[in-house]
Amino acid sequence: DGGITQSPKYLFRKEGQNVTLSCEQNLNHDAMYWYRQDPGQGLRLIYYSQIVNDFQKGDIAEGYSVSREKKESFPLTVTSAQKNPTAFYLCASSRIGIGGYNEQFFGPGTRLTVL
Amino acid sequence: AQSVTQPDIHITVSEGASLELRCNYSYGATPYLFWYVQSPGQGLQLLLKYFSGDTLVQGIKGFEAEFKRSQSSFNLRKPSVHWSDAAEYFCAVAPTNFGNEKLTFGTGTRLTIIP
Repeated sequence: DGGITQSPKYLFRKEGQNVTLSCEQNLNHDAMYWYRQDPGQGLRLIYYSQIVNDFQKGDIAEGYSVSREKKESFPLTVTSAQKNPTAFYLCASSRIGIGGYNEQFFGPGTRLTVL
Repeated sequence: AQSVTQPDIHITVSEGASLELRCNYSYGATPYLFWYVQSPGQGLQLLLKYFSGDTLVQGIKGFEAEFKRSQSSFNLRKPSVHWSDAAEYFCAVAPTNFGNEKLTFGTGTRLTIIP
């Protein structure tokens, strides 16, 4: 089955540690995205990438970093510079087409708790 | 910049009753409009979308939404809810002159179904 895989589902880390969240897709999508979800705030875009080895900051990129070495993979690192890292993180992917809009498909999410 | 308002944080309805979830947006023109559903601890699933044309759009799971340009609204409706509809619902917009990365979400409405 085609889809988006995020691992792990739950992640616990001590304050001050960097942590990397995995996102893999086998939909052959060019674009991938990372969102952060907090209660009562909806989803906010952290980073996105439309092509391998290139990515752009979203609305809340501070304290996060990403890489896109393969089309299928878009890992997110939550660094110690992120002041409030505890949140639910969602990865998404989409095709890229000329004109129109391409639906974003979402993974199941990773809940990060920093102790 | 575009924005989305979902004025109802939490709605409770009886099983079998009708449902309407409100969504208002702010944008200089008519954007692309979406409704997503999220079950607890899961990713988002697209219910329906509006790009252009007929202002009443049909989606999955028996949902529909009506675009009203004069009111800048895109309300979600279902004639008869089922217990399995309990979830959080997000309205989202994307501008028509940017790429996929500019998807903006509302803060969500949590739906509770009572027997």
